[in-house]
Amino acid sequence: GAVVSQHPSWVICKSGTSVKIECRSLDFQATTMFWYRQFPKQSLMLMATSNEGSKATYEQGVEKDKFLINHASLTLSTLTVTSAHPEDSSFYICSASPGPLGSGELFFGEGSRLTVL
Amino acid sequence: SQQGEEDPQALSIQEGENATMNCSYKTSINNLQWYRQNSGRGLVHLILIRSNEREKHSGRLRVTLDTSKKSSSLLITASRAADTASYFCATQRRGTYKYIFGTGTRLKVLA
Repeated sequence: GAVVSQHPSWVICKSGTSVKIECRSLDFQATTMFWYRQFPKQSLMLMATSNEGSKATYEQGVEKDKFLINHASLTLSTLTVTSAHPEDSSFYICSASPGPLGSGELFFGEGSRLTVL
Repeated sequence: SQQGEEDPQALSIQEGENATMNCSYKTSINNLQWYRQNSGRGLVHLILIRSNEREKHSGRLRVTLDTSKKSSSLLITASRAADTASYFCATQRRGTYKYIFGTGTRLKVLA
């Protein structure tokens, strides 16, 4: 199946710093990628839809200035958690689909675990 | 917002038994997918079932979809200890391209 790679897989940072997480589609182009957040033993919450060449679409309640998304190419989307605080500690997962949206399965990265001290 | 509710939240069975998980959703959908997640890892796609399909099989997996009841079920037959994981349904709401995940079922298969 298609491969989506996330980096870093885990990161620990101090409160107030910014952290960038990369999501790459390795063997397909993705005009759209999705960013999810997952708290321990909970489900995935959709944060935003990343659109190549245009602004991301954020879900209600997600601060766009806090979670900056850039989709600069057809294979790379980045999520930057700005001025991170302990409550931002979470598991962040990206996903993408090689076909037209809605046509098939989503492929997920392995996730990035962020711990803010 | 979360659309799907899954039950049970947790399920513990003996190896060799069947495991059934259910997913209910609230609005019309294009398709529904089931995913598996091992602890602390990404999600692995299991099966996609479209709104005009009623049942699909893949190996030991059987998925049903009842759009009139807005529900789906995932059956894992002859379970193995390696099936221990969390299972999520994800629905694509009709008219959108976003996938919303259910609350998940944590399955534990005892050897």
